[in-house]
Amino acid sequence: EDKVVQSPLSLVVHEGDTVTLNCSYEVTNFRSLLWYKQEKKAPTFLFMLTSSGIEKKSGRLSSILDKKELFSILNITATQTGDSAVYLCAVELVPTGTASKLTFGTGTRLQVTL
Amino acid sequence: DGGITQSPKYLFRKEGQNVTLSCEQNLNHDAMYWYRQDPGQGLRLIYYSQIVNDFQKGDIAEGYSVSREKKESFPLTVTSAQKNPTAFYLCASSPPNRGPLHFGNGTRLTVT
Repeated sequence: EDKVVQSPLSLVVHEGDTVTLNCSYEVTNFRSLLWYKQEKKAPTFLFMLTSSGIEKKSGRLSSILDKKELFSILNITATQTGDSAVYLCAVELVPTGTASKLTFGTGTRLQVTL
Repeated sequence: DGGITQSPKYLFRKEGQNVTLSCEQNLNHDAMYWYRQDPGQGLRLIYYSQIVNDFQKGDIAEGYSVSREKKESFPLTVTSAQKNPTAFYLCASSPPNRGPLHFGNGTRLTVT
């Protein structure tokens, strides 16, 4: 059975701290790993990772994939209260058609306090 | 602005009633999806459609039905056969090159 596990489940930090969120996976036919941020409603896309060891960066957020050890991390530096959200990790399997089939982890709930 | 519109935002129904959730997209995406989100669980795939008039069951299709008569629209019906229908339902779509999914703002369904 395909499995995606995120840790920690929840995290409370002070503004300005750096956080690392973890995602490990056991799936057949891996194609890519995606990170989403979900504040109240729609998850918004952050990163898609397909190759090991290549860091993707967007502002204070960065992510990297290790396909040998089957995990990814999402780093957020100099956290702000606006970073408070649930961060979702999803693994895309090699599709048989044009649709993307994702298996999601349970998410990490991050709260950034003043 | 292109996007995915789900309606209504909140829906309340009595047990035993069927209910239909709307999902419309103007992104010109071929593939559309329905996910269910419960507290403490990841998003779970209910149904997906790769093209008009075609759809496939996801991991938890029992008690649900869909149709795809138009490219823009992918409504989900939660039937009375669904044992635990109370949940947050998310609709998504993806472009032809299998880029990341785009999500709607969700419908929160409460069945009492």
